[in-house]
Amino acid sequence: GENVEQHPSTLSVQEGDSAVIKCTYSDSASNYFPWYKQELGKRPQLIIDIRSNVGEKKDQRIAVTLNKTAKHFSLHITETQPEDSAVYFCAAAKGSARQLTFGSGTQLTVLP
Amino acid sequence: ETGVTQSPTHLIKTRGQQVTLRCSSQSGHNTVSWYQQALGQGPQFIFQYYREEENGRGNFPPRFSGLQFPNYSSELNVNALELDDSALYLCASSLAPSGGARETQYFGPGTRLLVL
Repeated sequence: GENVEQHPSTLSVQEGDSAVIKCTYSDSASNYFPWYKQELGKRPQLIIDIRSNVGEKKDQRIAVTLNKTAKHFSLHITETQPEDSAVYFCAAAKGSARQLTFGSGTQLTVLP
Repeated sequence: ETGVTQSPTHLIKTRGQQVTLRCSSQSGHNTVSWYQQALGQGPQFIFQYYREEENGRGNFPPRFSGLQFPNYSSELNVNALELDDSALYLCASSLAPSGGARETQYFGPGTRLLVL
């Protein structure tokens, strides 16, 4: 089955700096890659997603890039703010059912 | 916040007992997926229900079972509870248009299960 690896497991940045989180996946048939943000004690919330027919997608301070050949995708957060502090999960899915395989998460801390 | 709700919010059971968790999907959504999230880990896919039928299952034993009702709400049942079943159980609802891929999954707040 699909395997998603996520790095780093923890990331600390100064407010205003950029943060990058990277994921690799194993199944070349995967075609949907969402990113979720989970604050302590709360539900995962979708922040951005990308489909395999697109190489990059941007939404304000957040962007995701996808390299299908290398089977990796990355989350980029620019101009980080303290409220960006949370655990971020990448995920991958194939087909139309969108049954997600998640990475192990990255604890992002934005230092004021 | 999403319109996905789950009950109960917390639950304590003892080993060997059975538990039923409930999920009410967002209005207009016809698909419910269940995930198990152990402490400090990413959610793991348990199974998905679409139009009252199981539509895919992850690497979980048969003592994990589910149901989806005509109003698209869903239940997760776990029999013969084990200590390792202690986790946050999340459901996510989405819309699957006819012949199309499921759209964005919206998660509920989860049920935290502790097995003693």
